[in-house]
Amino acid sequence: DTEVTQTPKHLVMGMTNKKSLKCEQHMGHRAMYWYKQKAKKPPELMFVYSYEKLSINESVPSRFSPECPNSSLLNLHLHALQPEDSALYLCASSQPTGGLWGEAFFGQGTRLTVV
Amino acid sequence: AQSVTQLGSHVSVSEGALVLLRCNYSSSVPPYLFWYVQYPNQGLQLLLKYTSAATLVKGINGFEAEFKKSETSFHLTKPSAHMSDAAEYFCAVRGLTGGGNKLTFGTGTQLKVEL
Repeated sequence: DTEVTQTPKHLVMGMTNKKSLKCEQHMGHRAMYWYKQKAKKPPELMFVYSYEKLSINESVPSRFSPECPNSSLLNLHLHALQPEDSALYLCASSQPTGGLWGEAFFGQGTRLTVV
Repeated sequence: AQSVTQLGSHVSVSEGALVLLRCNYSSSVPPYLFWYVQYPNQGLQLLLKYTSAATLVKGINGFEAEFKKSETSFHLTKPSAHMSDAAEYFCAVRGLTGGGNKLTFGTGTQLKVEL
């Protein structure tokens, strides 16, 4: 199984809503990532969890709250978002190799629209 | 911080022609380098990776890339383009900062394949 599964595929939410994005992998990877991608732009790193601990937070606004309940699951809790937060949210995972982390495997993403 | 630069945001080739997508990295220490492809409304798929083993790396779908330390380059090539190769291509670098767990993308190159 070499898949990273993200749910839901599409999400429309109001600015006062609370929602969560979910990501799951069963490859035994010990690092998981959240990226945000705007149209015609590269993915931008938001958060990294290594061995279930938050290791990188790229100064993301607090209305985005990550959670890693176990080594297979990664959540992104959303609250009071703004329309400019509309984007494709990508989850990825990777495994350590040769002293560094190896290639990242990506999910298909969640297309988020904030209205 | 380590980064990659992709020259040419748009590349157009004829079907059957050589594909050349350029990527240069900035690092005093050879990093891990990757090429990913993204089709519309999908996640990123790994094409190939350089992890300091062979300098000529072969990937999926007939793509390959050569790591040239003297030129700090990792250009992606394919001898004969196919219509199905039309997509967005991202070069990415994983460096030693952030515990070696930061994967940073170039700005991307949109490949168009014409009949």
